[in-house]
Amino acid sequence: KAGVTQTPRYLIKTRGQQVTLSCSPISGHRSVSWYQQTPGQGLQFLFEYFSETQRNKGNFPGRFSGRQFSNSRSEMNVSTLELGDSALYLCASSLVLAGGKKTQYFGPGTRLLVL
Amino acid sequence: TQLLEQSPQFLSIQEGENLTVYCNSSSVFSSLQWYRQEPGEGPVLLVTVVTGGEVKKLKRLTFQFGDARKDSSLHITAAQPGDTGLYLCAGAGDSNYQLIWGAGTKLIIKP
Repeated sequence: KAGVTQTPRYLIKTRGQQVTLSCSPISGHRSVSWYQQTPGQGLQFLFEYFSETQRNKGNFPGRFSGRQFSNSRSEMNVSTLELGDSALYLCASSLVLAGGKKTQYFGPGTRLLVL
Repeated sequence: TQLLEQSPQFLSIQEGENLTVYCNSSSVFSSLQWYRQEPGEGPVLLVTVVTGGEVKKLKRLTFQFGDARKDSSLHITAAQPGDTGLYLCAGAGDSNYQLIWGAGTKLIIKP
């Protein structure tokens, strides 16, 4: 079974631009979560989508948005990029089991550099 | 607000030594997961512990979930350079919709 894939792997943008990152979950997984990871802050939760609906949202400004498609693929968008948005953006897919238990499987991430 | 504190934040030891890293909270978790992340890659799940007092072994790695399900430890025996990486713990609350993440322990094993 193929793992979680993320595209692109690396991206360089300039301040003020916008960016869209893509994530394809493991086949059969309907939950997709996005995280921002920086050296000083660790993994920061952005949002989770389940069956095309945003189920949870972290404490990030409205410049960060996402969506999920009917095939469970997900995209996240960051508008008006700032230098502080430079980070590794990780996508994780989950198979939600009975009782709500789940395990997250991560993609390799998209490394975003904002100049 | 549930928080997970990992310690130490950074550990550098020689090959062959033993080490333990900790993941502590004042909150109870229904389960706790340990991940290892290598530079430039996403975290990879190592183990999930769900029962208070549970001990799981993965070759030279031993994971323990505290009796009260508030803390966990990871013990590595005879560390090898291949164990180098960022070790993250993540706790699941009652809803399990959102995992609570520790900041990680950066481990370097020198040959």
